[in-house]
Amino acid sequence: GAVVSQHPSRVICKSGTSVKIECRSLDFQATTMFWYRQFPKQSLMLMATSNEGSKATYEQGVEKDKFLINHASLTLSTLTVTSAHPEDSSFYICSASVGLAQETQYFGPGTRLLVL
Amino acid sequence: AQKVTQAQTEISVVEKEDVTLDCVYETRDTTYYLFWYKQPPSGELVFLIRRNSFDEQNEISGRYSWNFQKSTSSFNFTITASQVVDSAVYFCALPGRRALTFGSGTRLQVQP
Repeated sequence: GAVVSQHPSRVICKSGTSVKIECRSLDFQATTMFWYRQFPKQSLMLMATSNEGSKATYEQGVEKDKFLINHASLTLSTLTVTSAHPEDSSFYICSASVGLAQETQYFGPGTRLLVL
Repeated sequence: AQKVTQAQTEISVVEKEDVTLDCVYETRDTTYYLFWYKQPPSGELVFLIRRNSFDEQNEISGRYSWNFQKSTSSFNFTITASQVVDSAVYFCALPGRRALTFGSGTRLQVQP
């Protein structure tokens, strides 16, 4: 149980286009979903926290107009990278939890984004 | 604020050697959880352990063991008789205000 999927697993796009990444909890309802970004050889950095039906909470330095998060249901959150640029190329990982972050978070397999 | 320090950036060992990955953390919480994750080259995070701060007993799971020392705010991870498949980046993590705060990770290379 407690499986989180992400789609797509890998995407290559041209600079200026928008890319949508989906994060789904397959066998449980997630109270909260988190979006992390990981640049090569670096750690995971939290981008935003989203709760179903409410606006996402963004971390300092993360542009909310560039990284649009929609948490439409208890099993689906989407991250849209708008007008992507090469510096947005990264590994994006979502996670889902039931309850507080103190509980175990279930991580998706990640999405590799390459912006040309 | 929560902080996790993994001072070892990269470790290289030869197969069958034992290796210990260090993790030191800072928190103002009196009760908390600590985590270890493995990230193989594929990128997917693999959950290894969650430890409650109330439980200071060392834990062993096969070749893996964890040493939690609350007095020194450390939660070290030891792999016994390392194997090539253990090659990965290992992250120690601590719940923050909203989500997990990760250490910078330790890249472990196990040579055959």
